[in-house]
Amino acid sequence: AQTVTQSQPEMSVQEAETVTLSCTYDTSESDYYLFWYKQPPSRQMILVIRQEAYKQQNATENRFSVNFQKAAKSFSLKISDSQLGDAAMYFCALDPSRGSNSEDQFYFGTGTSLTVIP
Amino acid sequence: NAGVTQTPKFRILKIGQSMTLQCTQDMNHNYMYWYRQDPGMGLKLIYYSVGAGITDKGEVPNGYNVSRSTTEDFPLRLELAAPSQTSVYFCASSYGQRVQPQHFGDGTRLSIL
Repeated sequence: AQTVTQSQPEMSVQEAETVTLSCTYDTSESDYYLFWYKQPPSRQMILVIRQEAYKQQNATENRFSVNFQKAAKSFSLKISDSQLGDAAMYFCALDPSRGSNSEDQFYFGTGTSLTVIP
Repeated sequence: NAGVTQTPKFRILKIGQSMTLQCTQDMNHNYMYWYRQDPGMGLKLIYYSVGAGITDKGEVPNGYNVSRSTTEDFPLRLELAAPSQTSVYFCASSYGQRVQPQHFGDGTRLSIL
């Protein structure tokens, strides 16, 4: 079974500071993709960053970076220099089917609501 | 750039009514998905399609039906609306290989009263 767990329902960060959102997952696949999506109040789902499991190097997109620990099945998102526009719900997602045809669906965590304090 | 377009954005239904949520994408994506998002929860997959003429059930398909007659369109139908189907519905698409990131529509907020 595939699962994605986000244990922090809510987080807050001071503007310009750094915050880390946690995500753990479980899959029996050896190769897979992990994603962080952002959902602002407008409800639109926006891709923030993705990580390929076979790559050891952590993905980085401007102020967003991940700490991918494959053995621990951990995939945390670090937001540096937080901005007011970063306030949103953040979802961690797992795509377990790379290299197999057994499944064609993503698995999402329950989300972390991030508040940015001016 | 239209991307994934969902209509309507809001809808209120009475119990037992039926309706179709429309989803269209203009990115020539093979894969399309329907999710529902309940308050305080993540997204749950209802149905998905890997190409025109092919659909398959996701995690929570009961009470819904889909069709995929063209690459662009992936409508979701509720035949007998129930209060448990009150939710926000998202359509998404992705290109070719399954591992590509999904592009989402803006969502449809559906209330069943």
